[in-house]
Amino acid sequence: DGGITQSPKYLFRKEGQNVTLSCEQNLNHDAMYWYRQDPGQGLRLIYYSQIVNDFQKGDIAEGYSVSREKKESFPLTVTSAQKNPTAFYLCASRAFGEYNSPLHFGNGTRLTVT
Amino acid sequence: DAKTTQPPSMDCAEGRAANLPCNHSTISGNEYVYWYRQIHSQGPQYIIHGLKNNETNEMASLIITEDRKSSTLILPHATLRDTAVYYCIVLLRNNDMRFGAGTRLTVKP
Repeated sequence: DGGITQSPKYLFRKEGQNVTLSCEQNLNHDAMYWYRQDPGQGLRLIYYSQIVNDFQKGDIAEGYSVSREKKESFPLTVTSAQKNPTAFYLCASRAFGEYNSPLHFGNGTRLTVT
Repeated sequence: DAKTTQPPSMDCAEGRAANLPCNHSTISGNEYVYWYRQIHSQGPQYIIHGLKNNETNEMASLIITEDRKSSTLILPHATLRDTAVYYCIVLLRNNDMRFGAGTRLTVKP
């Protein structure tokens, strides 16, 4: 079945460590997105990428970095510069060039930093 | 950039229609309106989208005003499983998709 896989589902890290969240899709989608969600809040856009080797900052990119070396993969690194990294992280993808193509979401990674 | 405004919460009686409004007064001519819903701690689920015309699928109907400045998502016969946060989003030309805080719909027995 085609879809988006985020791993792991739960992740625990110590403060000051960088951590990388995985996102893989087999939908052949060009565009990929990372969102952050805090308890009781909506989704906030961190980064998105329309094609390989290209990405744009969203509303809250500070303290995060991404790479897009392969079409199917868009890993997110939460750096030690991110002040409040504990959150629920969601990855999504959609077909680029099909202007009415919806976003497909993974099931998220819940990151806890102590 | 088109932003959306939704009421923070709504209640609906089970079996009745749930009508969720969304304002997107700065939408541009060829920007689509999308609706998603999120049940606790899961990824958002796509519901429906539209440009100008009203749309209907097996989950819901979408009514877009003629001036395209607002829309309404209609769940015709709400069930308890429709309790969720509903997001209205405008897809921008550069593939940017930004979610607001959404509407928390509670369906009551």
